[in-house]
Amino acid sequence: SQQGEEDPQALSIQEGENATMNCSYKTSINNLQWYRQNSGRGLVHLILIRSNEREKHSGRLRVTLDTSKKSSSLLITASRAADTASYFCATAGKAAGNKLTFGGGTRVLVKP
Amino acid sequence: KAGVTQTPRYLIKTRGQQVTLSCSPISGHRSVSWYQQTPGQGLQFLFEYFSETQRNKGNFPGRFSGRQFSNSRSEMNVSTLELGDSALYLCASSGGLAGAHNEQFFGPGTRLTVL
Repeated sequence: SQQGEEDPQALSIQEGENATMNCSYKTSINNLQWYRQNSGRGLVHLILIRSNEREKHSGRLRVTLDTSKKSSSLLITASRAADTASYFCATAGKAAGNKLTFGGGTRVLVKP
Repeated sequence: KAGVTQTPRYLIKTRGQQVTLSCSPISGHRSVSWYQQTPGQGLQFLFEYFSETQRNKGNFPGRFSGRQFSNSRSEMNVSTLELGDSALYLCASSGGLAGAHNEQFFGPGTRLTVL
């Protein structure tokens, strides 16, 4: 079963626009991670935010975490065609042992 | 450092057969996890190995098994293949002791098709 639910399921934007996607989860977490996947290939780690952090930045990426609402958001600023991919949130639970539980993903299409 | 490698990249089997997939983690990483990705179920955790011991297991039938060798390379085996086992199987490694509490480095995956 999936811990996280992502919203929207799909997103289509023009190059240069910002893309925002949200992730909600159900149980207490140690951290939340965001990954990108291009066309059914392996996942690439984007950013990890710990449960005691509220916001984190990495280049054009900004992640927020609200543990009271059990939700996170990923913002990609000034999107590029190369950002076209599926984006997944994944949670590492305090009680879940050493596994990541993934959301269903958001498919992002950036049109040139 | 070389990334996570998985072999083979593509595999076609028929129902009832068995299959073994291999994963070589990043040098120095002792934690190796396996995930199954399907269009219907998404990404699901199979199991995690650390220093040759299975530390955690997902909700998959006993037909799915794995092991890890002393050099941290890992294999997973699926016996008595079913059509529903068709999926992308992803391996991930991480450094340190904490497994999923750290960044995971994924391999390119093995695409298994069961006919």
